[in-house]
Amino acid sequence: EIVMTQTPLLSPVTLGQPASISCRSSQSLVSGDGNTYLNWLQQRPGQPPRLLIYRVSSRFSGVPDRFSGSGAGTDFTLKISRVEAEDVGIYYCMQATHIPQTFGQGTKVEI
Amino acid sequence: EVQVVESGGALVKPGGSLILSCAASGFTFSNAWMTWVRQGPGKGLEWVGRIKREIDGGTTDYASPVKGRFTISRDDSKTTLYLQMNSLKTEDTAIYYCCAGLGSSEYDFWGQGTLVTVSS
Repeated sequence: EIVMTQTPLLSPVTLGQPASISCRSSQSLVSGDGNTYLNWLQQRPGQPPRLLIYRVSSRFSGVPDRFSGSGAGTDFTLKISRVEAEDVGIYYCMQATHIPQTFGQGTKVEI
Repeated sequence: EVQVVESGGALVKPGGSLILSCAASGFTFSNAWMTWVRQGPGKGLEWVGRIKREIDGGTTDYASPVKGRFTISRDDSKTTLYLQMNSLKTEDTAIYYCCAGLGSSEYDFWGQGTLVTVSS
């Protein structure tokens, strides 16, 4: 089973300032088809998760462009260019390359 | 508007069974890969399993903790996904989310979840 490790687990942020979350996988997430199925999800308080970023760096429909994803192989990063109040919540990286699919522990972003 | 709505959550005793449903609308259900994810109380997200669309074989995959106890199925004519849960354990207590994969990822759209509590 692929282990996904996020750092930090708690990220105090300042409104208008950037924030960054790292995610490391225990094995390469490059699939046999050449794609890397690494997604980022956001879960606001009391809400279900929602997809932010898929395949490392593609923003899902409706996601603000202050969110960006990068990385390759086993090391990935989610960046928020300027944190807004609505960005408070827990962020998860997850891999869908290998079965079982697995999630990181989650990073709590708080103002 | 894309919608997935879970139902069927309940309080059930250890060893019991339960069926969850996920009603989908606003998209071509038969084209979607569908996934169940759960979240225990105060915990992170845990993949339960998925079912591919029929054109891709309609096959299922499961997480180790539920393999042999849970079964995922779909009825494309009713645009509904199911999760049959047998031999339930207290550690199965969680909110169960249904996810629809419509091309970007397997997690494009999420439902609000349904709560399953396993307790005597």
